[in-house]
Amino acid sequence: IAGITQAPTSQILAAGRRMTLRCTQDMRHNAMYWYRQDLGLGLRLIHYSNTAGTTGKGEVPDGYSVSRANTDDFPLTLASAVPSQTSVYFCASSDGTANSPLHFGNGTRLTVT
Amino acid sequence: GEDVEQSLFLSVREGDSSVINCTYTDSSSTYLYWYKQEPGAGLQLLTYIFSNMDMKQDQRLTVLLNKKDKHLSLRIADTQTGDSAIYFCAEILNTDKLIFGTGTRLQVFP
Repeated sequence: IAGITQAPTSQILAAGRRMTLRCTQDMRHNAMYWYRQDLGLGLRLIHYSNTAGTTGKGEVPDGYSVSRANTDDFPLTLASAVPSQTSVYFCASSDGTANSPLHFGNGTRLTVT
Repeated sequence: GEDVEQSLFLSVREGDSSVINCTYTDSSSTYLYWYKQEPGAGLQLLTYIFSNMDMKQDQRLTVLLNKKDKHLSLRIADTQTGDSAIYFCAEILNTDKLIFGTGTRLQVFP
């Protein structure tokens, strides 16, 4: 079934550790996004990529990095995790045209202790 | 600014209509969206409206757009327990940035 796969589903991480959240899509979508979801704040854009080889900063990029080496994969890395990065992280993709809907993964629940 | 605001909770009885409201700030938004999030899942697109429209109806869903007041609403007719979820409105900025609201948790009780 075509869609977006995120891994892991959940993770508990000690502060200061490095962590990479994985995201893979098989829809050949050009654009990919990482959001974090926090109660009362909705979804906030961390980083995005309009096409393979390019990335951009969203609303809350600090403490996170991304890469887009190919069309399918868009990993999100926390270089040194802090408790404020405890959140649910969603990866999404779209074909990048105007009005194209976002397709979301099922999320990664990350707890930083 | 880029704030999109919604009330956090709405509770309705099964069979009644639900109205979820949203206010946005960027008058240049071309499209406005409603997404639904069920427990443990990502968001799914419910419906959208182009900024030159006032209303869009899709089966039980009616979207109303008041551009003057920058107000968007989603009406769900004959609300069912399966409609219980979090609903997000979103606006698109500069064609490549989707800004989500805070989300409204809809609870439907029998």
